[in-house]
Amino acid sequence: KAGVTQTPRYLIKTRGQQVTLSCSPISGHRSVSWYQQTPGQGLQFLFEYFSETQRNKGNFPGRFSGRQFSNSRSEMNVSTLELGDSALYLCASSHFGNEQFFGPGTRLTVL
Amino acid sequence: GENVEQHPSTLSVQEGDSAVIKCTYSDSASNYFPWYKQELGKRPQLIIDIRSNVGEKKDQRIAVTLNKTAKHFSLHITETQPEDSAVYFCAASNDAGGTSYGKLTFGQGTILTVHP
Repeated sequence: KAGVTQTPRYLIKTRGQQVTLSCSPISGHRSVSWYQQTPGQGLQFLFEYFSETQRNKGNFPGRFSGRQFSNSRSEMNVSTLELGDSALYLCASSHFGNEQFFGPGTRLTVL
Repeated sequence: GENVEQHPSTLSVQEGDSAVIKCTYSDSASNYFPWYKQELGKRPQLIIDIRSNVGEKKDQRIAVTLNKTAKHFSLHITETQPEDSAVYFCAASNDAGGTSYGKLTFGQGTILTVHP
């Protein structure tokens, strides 16, 4: 099976812009979770989607949003980018309570 | 919400020695505890996990122990090798009776260096 894929792998934006990141889970996985990884805060949970519904949400401002499509692919959007949003954004997919498989991440740099 | 503390933040050992990383969690309802290894520039990869109905689990040179009463769990790596050098993260999750452990709360990570 193909692993979790994320696009784009690298992104450079300026403050105030918005960005959309994409995640394709492993075939058959219906749960997709998103995490933000920074040197200072480590790995922090953003949200989880299951069957197109947001099931869990972390402590991030409303500028961070996401969605999941009927094929389980997921997108996350960050509006009005701030310098502090620079991070590695990881998505992970899982199948009914088993291991979460991570994608390679999208490295977002906000200038 | 859940809070996971991980210690030490850095760990340096000689090849062949054992390494132990400890984590404590705050939410007594947490019932799934995975450990991830992340090499530089790569994605986190699960190396071992344990559920709350089990006290210990082993996989070759890696073992995890769980003490639910004290709310802590530990990763043990024996006979360390240079390729074990990486950042290790513990995590905790509560599926609240559901079918997914999709919300992981991670510890801050431990940088393990194994010297040849």
